[in-house]
Amino acid sequence: DARVTQTPRHKVTEMGQEVTMRCQPILGHNTVFWYRQTMMQGLELLAYFRNRAPLDDSGMPKDRFSAEMPDATLATLKIQPSEPRDSAVYFCASGLVLGQGFTGELFFGEGSRLTVL
Amino acid sequence: GENVEQHPSTLSVQEGDSAVIKCTYSDSASNYFPWYKQELGKRPQLIIDIRSNVGEKKDQRIAVTLNKTAKHFSLHITETQPEDSAVYFCAADTGRRALTFGSGTRLQVQP
Repeated sequence: DARVTQTPRHKVTEMGQEVTMRCQPILGHNTVFWYRQTMMQGLELLAYFRNRAPLDDSGMPKDRFSAEMPDATLATLKIQPSEPRDSAVYFCASGLVLGQGFTGELFFGEGSRLTVL
Repeated sequence: GENVEQHPSTLSVQEGDSAVIKCTYSDSASNYFPWYKQELGKRPQLIIDIRSNVGEKKDQRIAVTLNKTAKHFSLHITETQPEDSAVYFCAADTGRRALTFGSGTRLQVQP
């Protein structure tokens, strides 16, 4: 049963601390997305990668957020320093996107719930 | 970039009634329009999708319609059941092949 795996599931930290969230996409998917959701609001696109190359991170606050994909099995989202307004659920999602677009479903991980005190 | 607007933000219906959620998009290059259901505390999951070469698609009690000229698409749920209660998100792919989501509709089905 293929699934997107995210860690940690929950994280409570204090303002100013560094937070790293990790994602293992589904094997064979070439595109990985990071979304942020606050208080059951919409899904805000932060950044995404295709074949490990960053395509767009315009949704991220550049001064404190960074996203990387060091290999095909791992994507990371880092916040340094964290602030209370960063409290949200961060979802990683993966899918197969070819020249004509999405070939199938975008699968979401269970999310990482971050609370910054 | 792509902008997706979704209405209504909340919807309450009686069990057995139909529910309709509407979305509009801005990018004429969009050609893929999925709908996701998110139950409380869970991840969003795909329930149905439609591509730009199709005007309507059905899957049991769920249907989606697409009007490319007007740039809007809708989700129709018939014979609603309490387990349909959730937040529903529409989405559209961008010219760069990412998904932009609407703001969500909280559907409450009253028994």
